[in-house]
Amino acid sequence: NAGVTQTPKFRVLKTGQSMTLLCAQDMNHEYMYWYRQDPGMGLRLIHYSVGEGTTAKGEVPDGYNVSRLKKQNFLLGLESAAPSQTSVYFCASSTSSGLTYEQYFGPGTRLTVT
Amino acid sequence: SQQGEEDPQALSIQEGENATMNCSYKTSINNLQWYRQNSGRGLVHLILIRSNEREKHSGRLRVTLDTSKKSSSLLITASRAADTASYFCATSIYGQNFVFGPGTRLSVLP
Repeated sequence: NAGVTQTPKFRVLKTGQSMTLLCAQDMNHEYMYWYRQDPGMGLRLIHYSVGEGTTAKGEVPDGYNVSRLKKQNFLLGLESAAPSQTSVYFCASSTSSGLTYEQYFGPGTRLTVT
Repeated sequence: SQQGEEDPQALSIQEGENATMNCSYKTSINNLQWYRQNSGRGLVHLILIRSNEREKHSGRLRVTLDTSKKSSSLLITASRAADTASYFCATSIYGQNFVFGPGTRLSVLP
């Protein structure tokens, strides 16, 4: 099992450019999440999904869009990147089984917007 | 929001000592989880405590939960250099709207 994988690992964008981050999990988890982590801070939830075809906003959704067309994939899009979106992005997945929702994290994507 | 907040922000101890970190949150939860993050890496789940539990143990970890005070503590006993990391508490309502605190940076000195 690969667990949770994220593509790419690093990316540099110019202001106004767009990009899509891909998260994939092979654990058949229902729930998937996108977070951002700024230096010295905790994670902030951007968007999440409780199942294929569903998405919901988290704490900081502005400037981002997501899609969950397949259960194993969760895409995060930046339509017009801004320097304030420079951050490390983490994807996570969890199962609702047992009502614990323990999260499994990917290794992160370091994004710099210049 | 359900914001969790850890205390202290940073903690430095000697190997073999115990480390205690505290977490506070604002709204009702069904469970509280603790995660560890080694520098630059993804978070790893450590332990979960349900809202109807008061204390839980896992190896050298002990977590307590006081729902009346909306607070939790994580105790790491007999710390090792490998425990050096950032520790975060996280709360949610049935897997939705997870909220992570800012974390405690633990340094265990050999």
